[in-house]
Amino acid sequence: AQTVTQSQPEMSVQEAETVTLSCTYDTSESDYYLFWYKQPPSRQMILVIRQEAYKQQNATENRFSVNFQKAAKSFSLKISDSQLGDAAMYFCAYRNNQGGKLIFGQGTELSVKP
Amino acid sequence: DVKVTQSSRYLVKRTGEKVFLECVQDMDHENMFWYRQDPGLGLRLIYFSYDVKMKEKGDIPEGYSVSREKKERFSLILESASTNQTSMYLCASSLFPGARNQPQHFGDGTRLSIL
Repeated sequence: AQTVTQSQPEMSVQEAETVTLSCTYDTSESDYYLFWYKQPPSRQMILVIRQEAYKQQNATENRFSVNFQKAAKSFSLKISDSQLGDAAMYFCAYRNNQGGKLIFGQGTELSVKP
Repeated sequence: DVKVTQSSRYLVKRTGEKVFLECVQDMDHENMFWYRQDPGLGLRLIYFSYDVKMKEKGDIPEGYSVSREKKERFSLILESASTNQTSMYLCASSLFPGARNQPQHFGDGTRLSIL
């Protein structure tokens, strides 16, 4: 069975600095999809970024980028120029190539200090 | 934008009650999901549905059932609520099973307390 692990329950970053959130996963499949979701205090889960396993190039979305290491089964999220609005719970998630359900990590709570 | 609406933001019920959590999506999505969110455990899948009147168990279905009579609506039912079902419940939808890179869209969640 696939599993997703986020080993950092809490992280803190200074405004305008860069922070990296870690995520590892376990799967025997070669084709799958990885996602990072953000859940602010308002509770609305928002998609931050997605990565297709067959693509070697790391995904980027503005200040958000990933470091996808397929052999190591690692999928970290880098947030550059951190802003106060980035403070939230961040979840890493895995989905196999049949689509459908997501498998989530435990979450990392990010705080941003002014 | 996709809108997933959960009927209640906060809900308080008593042990033994039958509880209904409702979820509606407005984008004609075929997939709908119910998750439970607990601190330190992330989100865990309770049930999901790929089509009307179709349902499949997720990872933690015990004590729950679901209903999908119409494509846009997916209901989670706690047959006899217990205190260990106090949690945050999140509904989600996505396009269709073959749309592999399409994300799930989430509702705002229902924080359910069982007394």
